[in-house]
Amino acid sequence: QVQLVQSGTAVIKPGASVKVSCRPSGNIFTVYFIHWMRQAPGQGPEWMGWINPRTGDTLYAQNFQGRVTMTSETSVNSVYMDLSGLTSNDTATYFCALVGATRGWLDPWGQGTLVAVSS
Amino acid sequence: EIVMTQSPASLSVSPGQRATLSCRASHSVSSDVAWYQQEPGQAPRLLIYGASIRATGIPARFSASGSGTEFTLTISSLQSEDFGFYFCQQYKNWPLTFGPGTKVDV
Repeated sequence: QVQLVQSGTAVIKPGASVKVSCRPSGNIFTVYFIHWMRQAPGQGPEWMGWINPRTGDTLYAQNFQGRVTMTSETSVNSVYMDLSGLTSNDTATYFCALVGATRGWLDPWGQGTLVAVSS
Repeated sequence: EIVMTQSPASLSVSPGQRATLSCRASHSVSSDVAWYQQEPGQAPRLLIYGASIRATGIPARFSASGSGTEFTLTISSLQSEDFGFYFCQQYKNWPLTFGPGTKVDV
């Protein structure tokens, strides 16, 4: 069973950037896409985009265009999500998840990374 | 963008009772719908994909149906571990979108 392990809680000042990592337990980059979502307390998730770890191809949600960058580093079997220009509205738990194609159901999910934006 | 809505927002159910959760899409998504369960502070877990196909390891008390714009998740006999937050997702069109969720509690 593949598992995704994410980086830990980040407390970030307004206007700064955060970089969240996601690492699968096995070498699954040859067959999967990595999607990123965020979720505010008590709400459904919000999709942010995907990355093909093999090629570096990405697709970002329009709401995050210009602020999000997703990258992969296959040598260390990891992907990263970088979000800039943070405001208090970006305080949420950020998740990565696997999809077997560019579009589909998400399984499994990483454990989540709390990003708190606070001065 | 396809908007997903869910009802009810919360549902109080006793152990052993049936729970029925609804999800509606603003435009047809065929059968490209998934359901997830999430416990407080945990990652979501895939329950259903293809609108009605149980994911690996999901108990048979979870069933789902629907196509087009109307979808239903049924838990036939609630167990203590089933209480939590449930949301639907469409993957027919970009962007992927999720419902706001239904909280199932005692």
